[in-house]
Amino acid sequence: NAGVMQNPRHLVRRRGQEARLRCSPMKGHSHVYWYRQLPEEGLKFMVYLQKENIIDESGMPKERFSAEFPKEGPSILRIQQVVRGDSAAYFCASSPGGKNTGELFFGEGSRLTVL
Amino acid sequence: SQQGEEDPQALSIQEGENATMNCSYKTSINNLQWYRQNSGRGLVHLILIRSNEREKHSGRLRVTLDTSKKSSSLLITASRAADTASYFCATDYRGGNKLTFGTGTQLKVEL
Repeated sequence: NAGVMQNPRHLVRRRGQEARLRCSPMKGHSHVYWYRQLPEEGLKFMVYLQKENIIDESGMPKERFSAEFPKEGPSILRIQQVVRGDSAAYFCASSPGGKNTGELFFGEGSRLTVL
Repeated sequence: SQQGEEDPQALSIQEGENATMNCSYKTSINNLQWYRQNSGRGLVHLILIRSNEREKHSGRLRVTLDTSKKSSSLLITASRAADTASYFCATDYRGGNKLTFGTGTQLKVEL
């Protein structure tokens, strides 16, 4: 049973380009969370999605960032017109869902470097 | 901010010693969880304690929760070099739908 799969593991972009990060949740999980981690810091919540729905995007910057979790295929975090401040590790986590938030299963992260 | 705060920020101990990390949070929770992160890797779930529980054990891990003080502690007994990692607490706030992570404690266990 494969865990949460994220790709790419490392991504280098120049300022102004677009970054697309993909996340396939664990089999049977329908809830996906995206977090951002700056060096030497904790994880900051970005967005919580269920299949085809954004449940909570309170942590997403208002501009340039978007996320989706289509009926078929992985969840995608898209960053348009990247800036140096977007350089970070982006982690995806999944859970089977439920009333309260139980254990999250994390991927290995996608490390974005903006030159 | 609802973010938890761990202390100490960094902890260095000798192998065989116990390591204690603390976490404080701000509002009522459903549960509190501890995660471990090795350098350059994703987070791995260690243990979950519910708001109506006061103490929980898992192997060499012992977690306590004091809801009156809004704090939790993680104790790792008989530490090993392989325990070297960052440890984060995460809270599931009542009425919320996501985990909020603290800033982490960097633990270094030396031989």
